Parts: sequence; C-alpha cells; structure tokens
Amino acid sequence: SQTIHQWPATLVQPVGSPLSLECTVEGTSNPNLYWYRQAAGRGLQLLFYSVGIGQISSEVPQNLSASRPQDRQFILSSKKLLLSDSGFYLCAWSPGRAAKNIQYFGAGTRLSVL
Amino acid sequence: KQEVTQIPAALSVPEGENLVLNCSFTDSAIYNLQWFRQDPGKGLTSLLLIQSSQREQTSGRLNASLDKSSGRSTLYIAASQPGDSATYLCAVPPGGGSQGNLIFGKGTKLSVKP
Repeated sequence: SQTIHQWPATLVQPVGSPLSLECTVEGTSNPNLYWYRQAAGRGLQLLFYSVGIGQISSEVPQNLSASRPQDRQFILSSKKLLLSDSGFYLCAWSPGRAAKNIQYFGAGTRLSVL
Repeated sequence: KQEVTQIPAALSVPEGENLVLNCSFTDSAIYNLQWFRQDPGKGLTSLLLIQSSQREQTSGRLNASLDKSSGRSTLYIAASQPGDSATYLCAVPPGGGSQGNLIFGKGTKLSVKP
C-alpha cells in the first residue's frame, strides 16, 4: 500500500533562518507531488507541484522554493523565513493528474516563524 | 477564475441528526469534484470523488451529490456521530474542462455534540 511521510510535524524557526521540509512517498512510482499551505482563516493554497524528477511548477510567487531530487521525494525550502511564512504545510500525492485522481495527504507540518 | 464557496463555515449539531454541507463553484465545466475531511492539526483524507458524469456517490453514511448546471454539490451525513466532528472541504479543478490542480473551499467545521 502507498504511504506518505512528512516531517517534521512541528517547527519553530526565527525570522531569517532557513527552512527545509521533506516529504516522501512509498509504494508507488512517478507520483504527482504537491505542496500546500493552510494559513489561519484561509483556504488551502497550492504552492508547488511536480509531475516528475526535477520538474517543479510554482503556483504563487513567494519566499519559498521546491525541489524533487528523487522520484518519491519532494522538498520545500526557504533561504530566509518571513513571519508570513507561518502556517500549516501539507504535502500530497496523486497517481496522475490532479483533476482525474484522488489526492492523498501527509499529516502536515505546523511552522511557526517568530 | 474558479472560486469555491462552502456554507456554512461552521455547524454544530446534536448526535444523531442528519445534516447537509454545501459547496458551490463558479465555473461549472469541472472534470470532477472531491470531498475531504480534515481533523484538527492533521492532513486531509479523501472521502468521495464524483466524476462530472455522475450525480452522486455514496460511502457508508456519506452521500455526495453533484449538480454541475447550478454549480453545486452537497455532502449529506446521516445519523451524525461525535466522531464525524472535523472540517469538511470540497475541491474542484479550475473549470473550463481543465484537468489542472484542485481549488479548495475554506471548509465547513462540523461539531457533533454527544
């Protein structure tokens, strides 16, 4: 069966520090991968998605970047965190294009930038 | 631009009640529609996926209907239980028949009182 792992579960970082969140998927190959952010009072916002190794699409301009160094690994990074980067970050995968397939989500990372 | 609205934002009911959650979208040319459940501080779990050619999908006590012409979907929960307490989100592709990434509503926070 397929599983998705996301870590860390919680993170408290000072403004200006770097960030690295990791997501890995097991039990499938060539998944579509997604990073979302869920801020308080706001909906789920798609940040990045990837249809293959090294292929990253950004949905919104921001202080963050994403990379996919391996087929089932998706990393969200920042060189210098801002207060506005605080939120709940969710990784997800789907077996194909998002509109045609169910998306499966990780447990999320709660990021607090102080 | 596709927009997704969920009403009500929050709902509190006594255990045993049947209830309906509403989702509306502005571009009715969708490929499909998905309903998710999110427990506090957790990731999303897919509940039901309705294809554009379908009018409803059922899973246990959950029934989701889709009326594309009016841009609406409802999630019906029968005989609600305290364990149903969570936030329920609906999501659709961008519209215009696009198979692009999902756009989420802000969710309905459901509380079922014992």
